[in-house]
Amino acid sequence: AQSVTQPDIHITVSEGASLELRCNYSYGATPYLFWYVQSPGQGLQLLLKYFSGDTLVQGIKGFEAEFKRSQSSFNLRKPSVHWSDAAEYFCAVAPYSSASKIIFGSGTRLSIRP
Amino acid sequence: DAGVIQSPRHEVTEMGQEVTLRCKPISGHDYLFWYRQTMMRGLELLIYFNNNVPIDDSGMPEDRFSAKMPNASFSTLKIQPSEPRDSAVYFCASSFRGSLNTEAFFGQGTRLTVV
Repeated sequence: AQSVTQPDIHITVSEGASLELRCNYSYGATPYLFWYVQSPGQGLQLLLKYFSGDTLVQGIKGFEAEFKRSQSSFNLRKPSVHWSDAAEYFCAVAPYSSASKIIFGSGTRLSIRP
Repeated sequence: DAGVIQSPRHEVTEMGQEVTLRCKPISGHDYLFWYRQTMMRGLELLIYFNNNVPIDDSGMPEDRFSAKMPNASFSTLKIQPSEPRDSAVYFCASSFRGSLNTEAFFGQGTRLTVV
């Protein structure tokens, strides 16, 4: 069965520093890949998604992610974080054959140091 | 569109009572999902519907949980009887499979507390 692993439960970075959140998936084929963000008390908002084509995907709020097939990874990056980026970030996959069933990773909580 | 609308936003109930959570998906979307979020288990997919028909309910924890979608604009998730371990945030999401865009749009969630 497909799965998503986010190895970092909690990350703290300084405001203005760069950020990389890790995501690895397990699936036989290339799935659809997503990153969602959840602010406290809110629902999930899509940051970006990858279906095919260019492996570097641009999203909202200055985020980007790179799909690396050889590493089964889809890491999220941002060159310079802002205090408002503090939130929970979820990587998710949907299998190619059933793109509607989206499975989420356990999430990474991002804290920003002033 | 107002997005996915869930009600109530908060629900506190006593153990043994019936709880009904409601969801209105985005108009035109043909998939609807129910997720449960807890600290221990993260985001779990409970069940999803396509064109109002349940497709996969393998995530429903037990028979106390049931979900219906009587029409394209409304779905319910019912817990009867409720137990303290059901306390969680329940999210509804919808998506449209008409194209390759399978992005799911989430509601604000219902925070359920069973005491």
